[in-house]
Amino acid sequence: AQSVAQPEDQVNVAEGNPLTVKCTYSVSGNPYLFWYVQYPNRGLQFLLKYITGDNLVKGSYGFEAEFNKSQTSFHLKKPSALVSDSALYFCAVRDGGYQKVTFGIGTKLQVIP
Amino acid sequence: DAGVIQSPRHEVTEMGQEVTLRCKPISGHNSLFWYRQTMMRGLELLIYFNNNVPIDDSGMPEDRFSAKMPNASFSTLKIQPSEPRDSAVYFCASSGGGAANEQYFGPGTRLTVT
Repeated sequence: AQSVAQPEDQVNVAEGNPLTVKCTYSVSGNPYLFWYVQYPNRGLQFLLKYITGDNLVKGSYGFEAEFNKSQTSFHLKKPSALVSDSALYFCAVRDGGYQKVTFGIGTKLQVIP
Repeated sequence: DAGVIQSPRHEVTEMGQEVTLRCKPISGHNSLFWYRQTMMRGLELLIYFNNNVPIDDSGMPEDRFSAKMPNASFSTLKIQPSEPRDSAVYFCASSGGGAANEQYFGPGTRLTVT
């Protein structure tokens, strides 16, 4: 079975400060990891993914995520937060040999001006 | 490409009525997913298709829900009869072949059952 945990319901950060949204996962095989963002009244949008290779993955809008196999984590980061980054962020995991994706419950990011 | 297209965007219906939600995936994508999102339960996978064949429908809540994919460019999710607890936002997503590919979501259908 595969699972993903987002331990924080909400993260508040001041504009211009670095942000981190946490994600841990559990899979039996090799993990494929994804981050998505959802703005109000919109569908989820793909941000970035880790499949293999470099542990630091860069994605859209200046976001990046670091894959840590020993800690089974895939935290989303951005060096300098923008008010427009305020949204709901979902971490997702897929066991390498399995098509079904499991999403986390989502973390609301609030960037304060 | 126009992305994943869903219709209608909003649906308000009375309890007991049949509801049909529609989805057109991105051309060339061979996997299609139906999700339901509520405040209480978050994002739930209902069913997914690969090459028009249902692969996993374990998330379909009960027999009132059914989904079809008659061809590569169209899928429906039907609820009959609808109940107030079915009120949610329903998303369709598609992806290309392979587990490494990300999903592309449609704008969703907001369903309200009164």
